[in-house]
Amino acid sequence: LAKTTQPISMDSYEGQEVNITCSHNNIATNDYITWYQQFPSQGPRFIIQGYKTKVTNEVASLFIPADRKSSTLSLPRVSLSDTAVYYCLVGSTYQKVTFGIGTKLQVIP
Amino acid sequence: GAGVSQSPRYKVAKRGQDVALRCDPISGHVSLFWYQQALGQGPEFLTYFQNEAQLDKSGLPSDRFFAERPEGSVSTLKIQRTQQEDSAVYLCASSLRRDSLNNEQFFGPGTRLTVL
Repeated sequence: LAKTTQPISMDSYEGQEVNITCSHNNIATNDYITWYQQFPSQGPRFIIQGYKTKVTNEVASLFIPADRKSSTLSLPRVSLSDTAVYYCLVGSTYQKVTFGIGTKLQVIP
Repeated sequence: GAGVSQSPRYKVAKRGQDVALRCDPISGHVSLFWYQQALGQGPEFLTYFQNEAQLDKSGLPSDRFFAERPEGSVSTLKIQRTQQEDSAVYLCASSLRRDSLNNEQFFGPGTRLTVL
């Protein structure tokens, strides 16, 4: 199982770009990298997923270097509503991944 | 429905009581998952259904926990003889196809269980 390491917490001012890096040194060939966001009193919500290189959607970008041993979730111009916990998942099935404690992002006005 | 729904949203039980938590997944979704989330922690996998078949129950913490999805849609998580350590938020998630991290999971709002 690929173990992930991500910062426990981060602070950012509104309008800044936020980058959250997740380390996964023992990622396997068929593993995907997936990020979820969770607000208080809600279930997690899918943000973005990738396998290699760069993926971008309307919410975020995901950067994955060639060795795939880490990945960076990039949130452009964060607002107060982006305050949440962000989870990095690495694996091939949800049965075998762990959410961990995630990264608690606090956006400051 | 528009998303995954769970009921009740909140449940208070006295220690030793049995509880049943319901999950209504998105219609047509093949996969259904149950997770347990303790305060300040991420969701932890409990069990997985593909249609009506329970393919993985390795995360259920004890034999007091039981889950079913008899017709491949609605699922119920039952906890017998509740203990204080069972207090947590129980999340249900569904996805369109069989389990793969390549498939997006859609989570319900959870049921917060408090055992007194």
